[in-house]
Amino acid sequence: KAGVTQTPRYLIKTRGQQVTLSCSPISGHRSVSWYQQTPGQGLQFLFEYFSETQRNKGNFPGRFSGRQFSNSRSEMNVSTLELGDSALYLCASSPLANPTDTQYFGPGTRLTVL
Amino acid sequence: EDQVTQSPEALRLQEGESSSLNCSYTVSGLRGLFWYRQDPGKGPEFLFTLYSAGEEKEKERLKATLTKKESFLHITAPKPEDSATYLCAVQIARDDKIIFGKGTRLHILP
Repeated sequence: KAGVTQTPRYLIKTRGQQVTLSCSPISGHRSVSWYQQTPGQGLQFLFEYFSETQRNKGNFPGRFSGRQFSNSRSEMNVSTLELGDSALYLCASSPLANPTDTQYFGPGTRLTVL
Repeated sequence: EDQVTQSPEALRLQEGESSSLNCSYTVSGLRGLFWYRQDPGKGPEFLFTLYSAGEEKEKERLKATLTKKESFLHITAPKPEDSATYLCAVQIARDDKIIFGKGTRLHILP
């Protein structure tokens, strides 16, 4: 069974630009969560989708948004990029409605903002 | 304020030297506590979920326990391949939000 895939793996952008990251969950998984990981703040929860509905959202500004498609694939978008948005963005999928129970993480997208 | 604190930040052990990692939490109602392992350059790998005080779970050389204030990840007779960062996270009952600790970097020397 294929794992969670994230594209692209690496990305370099400049301040003010916007970026879209993609996540394909494990087949049959309906829950997708997004996290930001930085050396200073650690792992921080961004949002969680289940069956195309955002069920939960972390404490991030409105520049961070996401969506989930009918095939459970998910995208997150960051607009007006800031230097502080440089981070590893992780996606996790789960077969269960409670996403943190047995989540499977992808390898992440490393975003660098110059 | 809801908070999760892991200690120590880093730990170096000799192969076979057992020890424990700590995750203390202050949250307004716990829905669940989770342990993950993360290797460099990879996403976290799920290890355990604990839901109530007194609960214990085991997997190979790892054992997780939970009290009303903290959780311990006990590692028995570790091997070099157990070297990784171990992350603890809690899910808050009030709003299902998830908070991660900063992690403990564990290094097992052969």
